Amino acid sequence: AAGVIQSPRHLIKEKRETATLKCYPIPRHDTVYWYQQGPGQDPQFLISFYEKMQSDKGSIPDRFSAQQFSDYHSELNMSSLELGDSALYFCASRSLGQSGELFFGEGSRLTVL
Amino acid sequence: DQQVKQNSPSLSVQEGRISILNCDYTNSMFDYFLWYKKYPAEGPTFLISISSIKDKNEDGRFTVFLNKSAKHLSLHIVPSQPGDSAVYFCAAKGSSGTYKYIFGTGTRLKVLA
Repeated sequence: AAGVIQSPRHLIKEKRETATLKCYPIPRHDTVYWYQQGPGQDPQFLISFYEKMQSDKGSIPDRFSAQQFSDYHSELNMSSLELGDSALYFCASRSLGQSGELFFGEGSRLTVL
Repeated sequence: DQQVKQNSPSLSVQEGRISILNCDYTNSMFDYFLWYKKYPAEGPTFLISISSIKDKNEDGRFTVFLNKSAKHLSLHIVPSQPGDSAVYFCAAKGSSGTYKYIFGTGTRLKVLA
């Protein structure tokens, strides 16, 4: 079965640079979530989208922005990168009309030097 | 303010015995709870969930118990297998109107052969 696809899997950037992460949800899933997991920490909710509209917002810095496109894929844009942005970024999707399970991608590891 | 807490950062269990992972929450508006298993460098994998209208849900070797009055849930794995060694996260979702899933800090389970 198709899963959540994230790209790139690994990304290395320098401070003050910009990075974009992409997420392709499971087909027919209409809701996308972004989480950030720092070393030894729990996944922190950043932002979610339902039907291409922002549905909820968590601890997402102002330097970050995200959107969901007409094909339901989502992109997380991160600007003015800081060392503390180094983390695993997970995307998850679900179908709002079905059961409540979130299905996660493999994650994108961002390293800021 | 950690709304979902897993107070045991690690747990070691002998193969074949029962593993019990605990999770406490503070927000009485949470209405759906989930357990995820995570291997290093991979995304969290959904294990089992429970709605707040139930107190038990079973799926094979995995059983989740919910005690709403105590705001406590637990995951039982019986019998434990070495392949169960991973980090386990509990997560909670608020009632309708919110899309956020809040994760606990995780418990690292080690099943000893």
